Amino acid sequence: GAGVSQSPRYKVTKRGQDVALRCDPISGHVSLYWYRQALGQGPEFLTYFNYEAQQDKSGLPNDRFSAERPEGSISTLTIQRTEQRDSAMYRCASSLGVGRDPSGNTIYFGEGSWLTVV
Amino acid sequence: TQLLEQSPQFLSIQEGENLTVYCNSSSVFSSLQWYRQEPGEGPVLLVTVVTGGEVKKLKRLTFQFGDARKDSSLHITAAQPGDTGLYLCAGASGNNRLAFGKGNQVVVIP
Repeated sequence: GAGVSQSPRYKVTKRGQDVALRCDPISGHVSLYWYRQALGQGPEFLTYFNYEAQQDKSGLPNDRFSAERPEGSISTLTIQRTEQRDSAMYRCASSLGVGRDPSGNTIYFGEGSWLTVV
Repeated sequence: TQLLEQSPQFLSIQEGENLTVYCNSSSVFSSLQWYRQEPGEGPVLLVTVVTGGEVKKLKRLTFQFGDARKDSSLHITAAQPGDTGLYLCAGASGNNRLAFGKGNQVVVIP
């Protein structure tokens, strides 16, 4: 697609439910990133992929969070047993390169998925 | 741990005035990026600086990377209402993990 597409744009879920957030990166982009952004704050790194391989998942808050990108294109961020503190904007981004220093790559962000856990 | 500190957090100025915002860190980065984010949108890359002491200009915006590659500044000349937004700096390490600051919220009043 023309840009990074995320779905759903808005999700309200009850505490304890699982949620899956989807990211469709720009066609041909090798690197895919997941960030979480609270109101008034900069994006917080969660994880990133080169092709289908998860390169760094050190930003995932705990083991309720997982991400996959099985075919090296679309990615899913899954949060199990959601808690209220998980409420945030979850942003996906992609870049053309293969995880080199970002000075060589422009990162394009999607519009994000707003998650509210009630 | 907030690796990048941005100041001031909020700045409101009149159209036509100049402004400077800062991004500081105790860490050395291989490169630093500046983004602008508007409400409801994702951050959009403005510039990447790589070399210590580097200065880049983008129309009325001037970006400088500190000599030690630990800090950066963004200067806007003759600000316009269209410059309103959240300006984010992000530092890159070799592992491709971008660390973002909390941002500088700039409001330009017509």
